Amino acid sequence: GQQVMQIPQYQHVQEGEDFTTYCNSSTTLSNIQWYKQRPGGHPVFLIQLVKSGEVKKQKRLTFQFGEAKKNSSLHITATQTTDVGTYFCAGPKSNTGKLIFGQGTTLQVKP
Amino acid sequence: GAGVSQTPSNKVTEKGKYVELRCDPISGHTALYWYRQSLGQGPEFLIYFQGTGAADDSGLPNDRFFAVRPEGSVSTLKIQRTERGDSAVYLCASSPGTGASEQYFGPGTRLTVT
Repeated sequence: GQQVMQIPQYQHVQEGEDFTTYCNSSTTLSNIQWYKQRPGGHPVFLIQLVKSGEVKKQKRLTFQFGEAKKNSSLHITATQTTDVGTYFCAGPKSNTGKLIFGQGTTLQVKP
Repeated sequence: GAGVSQTPSNKVTEKGKYVELRCDPISGHTALYWYRQSLGQGPEFLIYFQGTGAADDSGLPNDRFFAVRPEGSVSTLKIQRTERGDSAVYLCASSPGTGASEQYFGPGTRLTVT
């Protein structure tokens, strides 16, 4: 079945360093969504990418959707302690509402 | 406005008991989703509703799990004959439209089966 994989599973960085997480789908996606889950919290929607090769920015966060619409990345520039949490990518199954989540990348930021 | 709410926030039950978990979606959202999340894992899809009907229940692990949304708003996830392996956080989400649109998650219900 459709799978979504993320690497790395964990990342520890010093505050101010950059961070990147990568997401790969076994199938072509109609879109890719990114969510952030703070420790003890619930997933919160960050962004949705739809077009092949699309790049979107939210302040220090840059999201990319691959040309083949099977992979995506999230890059954070100059991390801050408020960036701590687990970042999930998720892709819909066959353009339905059923989202397949990756296992997430947990970011720890040392002040 | 109010977000997605879930009750109870925590539920401890004995193996073999029956439990019901409730989800109140954002008002006006037609799609409602149930997920299960184990420690260190991403949310695992269980079922989703479009209005009152279950559009996709392929993620329900077995026939002990059942969910309803009789009036197209509140939904209840029901688990019969609970097992220790059912212990997890059960997340509910809603979205405004059909198809693949962003989902708004509730705080979850932490279910512990002893």
